Amino acid sequence: DTAVSQTPKYLVTQMGNDKSIKCEQNLGHDTMYWYKQDSKKFLKIMFSYNNKELIINETVPNRFSPKSPDKAHLNLHINSLELGDSAVYFCASSQDWSSNEQFFGPGTRLTVL
Amino acid sequence: AQSVSQHNHHVILSEAASLELGCNYSYGGTVNLFWYVQYPGQHLQLLLKYFSGDPLVKGIKGFEAEFIKSKFSFNLRKPSVQWSDTAEYFCAVRGNYQLIWGAGTKLIIKP
Repeated sequence: DTAVSQTPKYLVTQMGNDKSIKCEQNLGHDTMYWYKQDSKKFLKIMFSYNNKELIINETVPNRFSPKSPDKAHLNLHINSLELGDSAVYFCASSQDWSSNEQFFGPGTRLTVL
Repeated sequence: AQSVSQHNHHVILSEAASLELGCNYSYGGTVNLFWYVQYPGQHLQLLLKYFSGDPLVKGIKGFEAEFIKSKFSFNLRKPSVQWSDTAEYFCAVRGNYQLIWGAGTKLIIKP
């Protein structure tokens, strides 16, 4: 059984488009995260939700909007895509906001042309 | 400011060589430390973690790490690497609400 799943795995799109990435976890965790991994493999936290409430909102362009319809899902919507948005986006979850261990999804490789 | 520093960005070793990847952190609170591994084309997986107790922590696939509080370090070691250990290795420290990540070390094992 997949613990943290993301769709799509690959996403190729044109500049200016709007796209969404979905994330679901079946671990019963309360907290979910979105990370961006750039071409140099550097991991940067973008957002975190705990029980559907936003608890981390790092300096990210407001073209990026997370949405958590329930605690098992955290989706990422990106408006007006730019070349610099090309990266691998990882979703992760943890038992709760104070929990130490995070479980990662397989990643979504976004390429903006 | 909280930070994690991984000394080597790239490490190339031959099979059977011994490995040590450096990790130093800067964080004032109670320390929880992690090493994650990312195999080519895959997601991050937890290798090992330190919360408290014995500072020598054993993880999966023969990896271990030693927490040295006086040096603010949590170096990853493996006595004899294999070609399948080729991957990116990330050190992280638990901060407020989130993990603080190092920049990663790309390990390449030559067969």
